[in-house]
Amino acid sequence: ELKVEQNPLFLSMQEGKNYTIYCNYSTTSDRLYWYRQDPGKSLESLFVLLSNGAVKQEGRLMASLDTKARLSTLHITAAVHDLSATYFCAAWFASKLTFGTGTRLQVTL
Amino acid sequence: SAVISQKPSRDICQRGTSLTIQCQVDSQVTMMFWYRQQPGQSLTLIATANQGSEATYESGFVIDKFPISRPNLTFSTLTVSNMSPEDSSIYLCSVCRVADTEAFFGQGTRLTVV
Repeated sequence: ELKVEQNPLFLSMQEGKNYTIYCNYSTTSDRLYWYRQDPGKSLESLFVLLSNGAVKQEGRLMASLDTKARLSTLHITAAVHDLSATYFCAAWFASKLTFGTGTRLQVTL
Repeated sequence: SAVISQKPSRDICQRGTSLTIQCQVDSQVTMMFWYRQQPGQSLTLIATANQGSEATYESGFVIDKFPISRPNLTFSTLTVSNMSPEDSSIYLCSVCRVADTEAFFGQGTRLTVV
């Protein structure tokens, strides 16, 4: 059974500083997803990472994948208040997605 | 991208009753899934909806409690049966198109059981 762990569970960020969320998964997976969820909303797709060494960037967010280490990271550059939300990673295995625990980000001035 | 319409968006139901949630996609998709998200928690897969056959349920979920239909490639329903307050959650439909690897989510159904 695939297990997906995220850390930290909660991250209080200061505006302008850089932070990283880590996503570890227990079994070989060929796809890793990152989603954002605002309170009371559904999931918004951020990134899909398909191969070892894949790196994708959108604005202040950059995601990377190391399949050998079974690790994906979501790096936040110069945090701004708009990034406050819960972020989930999810790994694809056995024809389904398994989600991590989620990381709640809160950006403060 | 796929446009997913999920209905209802929210409902308040009496315990012991059932609610059917609908998921309609604007294009044919290969895979459809139903998730539950309990308050403050992550997403848990309930089942994979299979077109024209019985759904594939995850451990801890059974057909009698969560019957699922998928009559064609663009539509699925999830019924939450004999509801109790513990069923209060957000239920989400998700679709995948294997060709482009994306996994999209519906707006979710916020269910409160009283």
